[in-house]
Amino acid sequence: DAGVIQSPRHEVTEMGQEVTLRCKPISGHDYLFWYRQTMMRGLELLIYFNNNVPIDDSGMPEDRFSAKMPNASFSTLKIQPSEPRDSAVYFCASSLTRDLYYIQYFGAGTRLSVL
Amino acid sequence: GNSVTQMEGPVTLSEEAFLTINCTYTATGYPSLFWYVQYPGEGLQLLLKATKADDKGSNKGFEATYRKETTSFHLEKGSVQVSDSAVYFCALMPGTSYDKVIFGPGTSLSVIP
Repeated sequence: DAGVIQSPRHEVTEMGQEVTLRCKPISGHDYLFWYRQTMMRGLELLIYFNNNVPIDDSGMPEDRFSAKMPNASFSTLKIQPSEPRDSAVYFCASSLTRDLYYIQYFGAGTRLSVL
Repeated sequence: GNSVTQMEGPVTLSEEAFLTINCTYTATGYPSLFWYVQYPGEGLQLLLKATKADDKGSNKGFEATYRKETTSFHLEKGSVQVSDSAVYFCALMPGTSYDKVIFGPGTSLSVIP
């Protein structure tokens, strides 16, 4: 299996621009998670989906952030408008209900820099 | 609530030294416990897990024992290598919530030749 695929790997943008991060989970997995990692705050769960339905978005920092999962093989995290404090590494992870321990498989991440 | 506490890093060791990274947790019910590792430039990956008290998880020479009496899950390795340089995350899955894993802050390890 190719694993969780994220794109782009690196994104540099200017403040105020819209940013879209993309994720393809492992085929057959029914949970998808979006995390943000910074030196100051560590790893933060932003939102997660089960069977394409958002379950908990309490970690989304503000209305500028939105996430969608239109089908089982694709999800996006959008920031509009972006701000310098959004600079971080964003990870997508997926897991499988049949895996009793819900082991999460992470993508390589997208490093976002907002200037 | 549920939480994970780890020893602060960074930790710097010489090759072949003994490694311990402390992890303690607070949880309701009977959580499962994990160690994830993040190598430079990569996402996290599962290193080992334990699902009940006194279980020992092991992988790649690393071990951790689920200690319910001390609510701990310390990571150990007898002889570290340069290739073990990474960030290590202790994590728990609450016994009452089977879909959300709670991660600790991570401990950075650097192994020097």
